[in-house]
Amino acid sequence: GNSVTQMEGPVTLSEEAFLTINCTYTATGYPSLFWYVQYPGEGLQLLLKATKADDKGSNKGFEATYRKETTSFHLEKGSVQVSDSAVYFCALRGGGGSQGNLIFGKGTKLSVKP
Amino acid sequence: DSGVTQTPKHLITATGQRVTLRCSPRSGDLSVYWYQQSLDQGLQFLIQYYNGEERAKGNILERFSAQQFPDLHSELNLSSLELGDSALYFCASSDQRAGNTIYFGEGSWLTVV
Repeated sequence: GNSVTQMEGPVTLSEEAFLTINCTYTATGYPSLFWYVQYPGEGLQLLLKATKADDKGSNKGFEATYRKETTSFHLEKGSVQVSDSAVYFCALRGGGGSQGNLIFGKGTKLSVKP
Repeated sequence: DSGVTQTPKHLITATGQRVTLRCSPRSGDLSVYWYQQSLDQGLQFLIQYYNGEERAKGNILERFSAQQFPDLHSELNLSSLELGDSALYFCASSDQRAGNTIYFGEGSWLTVV
């Protein structure tokens, strides 16, 4: 079945450092890919998404490109802030045999130090 | 604000009891999803309803059940509660198109003592 694998955390960075969180997926067909973020004590919020190969999703300085050839959707940000401290989830939806629900990775906890 | 409303936000109950979690989807969304988030299991898909009918089932225990009503709100019923059922339960909604976003509520924190 479809699945998502993302890098294990936690990740600790200093403010203004470069961030990469790796995400790869296994799916038949052509799923849509998402990054969700969960700030401490809050629910899940959509950060960005891409619906087809080579699409780039971007929001709040974060970017991720849908790479079909490497089945990846890595999250990047050029300069992180303390306020970016949160848990980040990569997810997919759709693709062959999908039931329409989101399939999540295990989440990566990011801590940004001033 | 995602537009998905969940109640209650927090709930503490004893083992063996039964609780009902309620969800109102975003206006116009016909699909409702329930997810469980626990420390050891991560985010687990439980069940999906579409316009009142069950559409997909994930890792939902037999002690748990859900339904979607004609006004599209949904309820998740958890019975014979165990300590391990303590978790954050999310409701989410979307339309059915695969590329469209699934929007999440803020969750209901359930603590079983």
